[in-house]
Amino acid sequence: NAGVMQNPRHLVRRRGQEARLRCSPMKGHSHVYWYRQLPEEGLKFMVYLQKENIIDESGMPKERFSAEFPKEGPSILRIQQVVRGDSAAYFCASSPPGLATDTQYFGPGTRLTVL
Amino acid sequence: QQQVKQSPQSLIVQKGGISIINCAYENTAFDYFPWYQQFPGKGPALLIAIRPDVSEKKEGRFTISFNKSAKQFSLHIMDSQPGDSATYFCAASLYSGGYQKVTFGTGTKLQVIP
Repeated sequence: NAGVMQNPRHLVRRRGQEARLRCSPMKGHSHVYWYRQLPEEGLKFMVYLQKENIIDESGMPKERFSAEFPKEGPSILRIQQVVRGDSAAYFCASSPPGLATDTQYFGPGTRLTVL
Repeated sequence: QQQVKQSPQSLIVQKGGISIINCAYENTAFDYFPWYQQFPGKGPALLIAIRPDVSEKKEGRFTISFNKSAKQFSLHIMDSQPGDSATYFCAASLYSGGYQKVTFGTGTKLQVIP
């Protein structure tokens, strides 16, 4: 019963590079959520995906950020042309399919540092 | 209207004391109120949760008190222990579009000193 897995745990990028963050949900979970946590702040919702579909991306910046959850493989959060303000912890959570699923289970996060 | 306000930002409590963290919300459509505990370098973990039709929920040393009319809820940690030292986030969620959309408070860093 592995939990939500995220990798890498730490990622360092220079300004202008691309960052790819991966999330493998818990077994049997088909809903994935991405959150961003800035230092000393709470988690901010970014995007909610089901397999092959983006359901709600209302919290995602309009430019440079994209997310996918393919039929096979992990969910990917991609940040193009990173800037220093992208430095944060990015958490993925998953929940099982079904109606009114209350609990989201979080991964350990990826800490992105942009130099 | 989607904000959840949390206080205090930080809290120091003696071992054996009671830790109290307060949260307030605006949107009366929120229908689920979880609390998460986060240790340094880890992801948040669900601690305890309550629905608005209940005024109190207790699990071990952790109690949520919920005041629907005031739109406030709080977490009480009885007999606080050094191992409880962590950051606590309240949250409020709304079932919409087939999933629970969660709004988090800004967090309270709790330190329990021996």
